[in-house]
Amino acid sequence: QLVLTQSPSASASLGASVKFTCTLSSGHSTYAIAWHQQQPEKGPRYLMKLNSDGSHSKGDGIPDRFSGSSSGAERYLTISSLQSEDEADYYCQAWGTGTVVFGGGTKLTVL
Amino acid sequence: EVQVVESGGGLVQPGRSLRLSCAVSGFTIDDYAMHWVRQAPGKGLEWVSSISWNSGTIAYADSVKGRFTISRDNAKNSLYLQMNSLRAEDTALYYCSKDTFDIWGQGTMVTVSP
Repeated sequence: QLVLTQSPSASASLGASVKFTCTLSSGHSTYAIAWHQQQPEKGPRYLMKLNSDGSHSKGDGIPDRFSGSSSGAERYLTISSLQSEDEADYYCQAWGTGTVVFGGGTKLTVL
Repeated sequence: EVQVVESGGGLVQPGRSLRLSCAVSGFTIDDYAMHWVRQAPGKGLEWVSSISWNSGTIAYADSVKGRFTISRDNAKNSLYLQMNSLRAEDTALYYCSKDTFDIWGQGTMVTVSP
């Protein structure tokens, strides 16, 4: 069964960097995922699709501050030069066989 | 401008039905699979249903299987979700999205309450 695991919360200071982790369940380590951002009271926003080899394709208008990488069953989203508007929930998502799965989301607090 | 606009939400009693619509502009949906995703108040994103470009392949989350029906009208560039036998736990903001989830709407709120 495809499951995506995310830490529920993270915090980092303005101008610093933060790295989110999304862990794929056993047997699914080669799956691609997507990262989405959801700012307070807004709909989700697609950030990027991230492949198992670390290659990624970002959505339109997504700043260079956002990058993705992979290692084994882990998929990462790194945000550098944090800005106040980066305070949001971040979800990973994958496509399974006849299903779509979302991680539980990580809430980012920018200090 | 590429956008999807969900509509049809509202307050409904348990056991009743509701039909959601998703109007798409800026691209033609007949090239793409489409999805419905929901978000209960204060909770995370939950996939609800997907439909292939020609309606040949349809999938549902176990939580809605047998109660919800996804459909599409490529000529109208629109996606639909027929929701029957609604329960309190179906209360959520419902979003439609494109195959790779690179386009999201603002959602339509469904509240199931006596």
